[in-house]
Amino acid sequence: GDSVTQMEGPVTLSEEAFLTINCTYTATGYPSLFWYVQYPGEGLQLLLKATKADDKGSNKGFEATYRKETTSFHLEKGSVQVSDSAVYFCALNTGNQFYFGTGTSLTVIP
Amino acid sequence: DGGITQSPKYLFRKEGQNVTLSCEQNLNHDAMYWYRQDPGQGLRLIYYSQIVNDFQKGDIAEGYSVSREKKESFPLTVTSAQKNPTAFYLCASSIRTEEETQYFGPGTRLLVL
Repeated sequence: GDSVTQMEGPVTLSEEAFLTINCTYTATGYPSLFWYVQYPGEGLQLLLKATKADDKGSNKGFEATYRKETTSFHLEKGSVQVSDSAVYFCALNTGNQFYFGTGTSLTVIP
Repeated sequence: DGGITQSPKYLFRKEGQNVTLSCEQNLNHDAMYWYRQDPGQGLRLIYYSQIVNDFQKGDIAEGYSVSREKKESFPLTVTSAQKNPTAFYLCASSIRTEEETQYFGPGTRLLVL
């Protein structure tokens, strides 16, 4: 069935380090792909999305490219800040249902 | 301001009690969703509704019930049949179900006394 697998955390980085959070998916058809961010005690906020192969989503310095050949949608940021500390969820929408990964907790230390 | 509101932020349930979580949206979205979030398990779909007066079960509907009498409201009732209700509950909405972004409320944390 359709699913999303993302790298397990927690991830701890120093400020200004490079971030990669891996996400791969399994889906029939052509899903849309998403990254959501969740700050402590809050709901999920859309970070970025891509709706077709080779599309790059970007927002607030974060980027992810929809790679159909590797079924991946890895999240990257060149220089993380303390304020980026949160849980990040990869998700896909097949048109019938959303599927979320288990989340990756990121802590950025000064 | 358009958005999704959930209330209360914290809710306490006694054994054998039904409790209802509120979700309201003023985004004029047709579709609404309820998810349950447990630590380390991501989000699991409880129920969703594509249109007023219609809703479908998600992956973990047992012990829960919903109604969709108005477009902007999608309350979730956690019944006494749900034996492990302690979790963070998230409501979301989207313009329609197929290939559209979901927007989330701030969540309700349910705790059992």
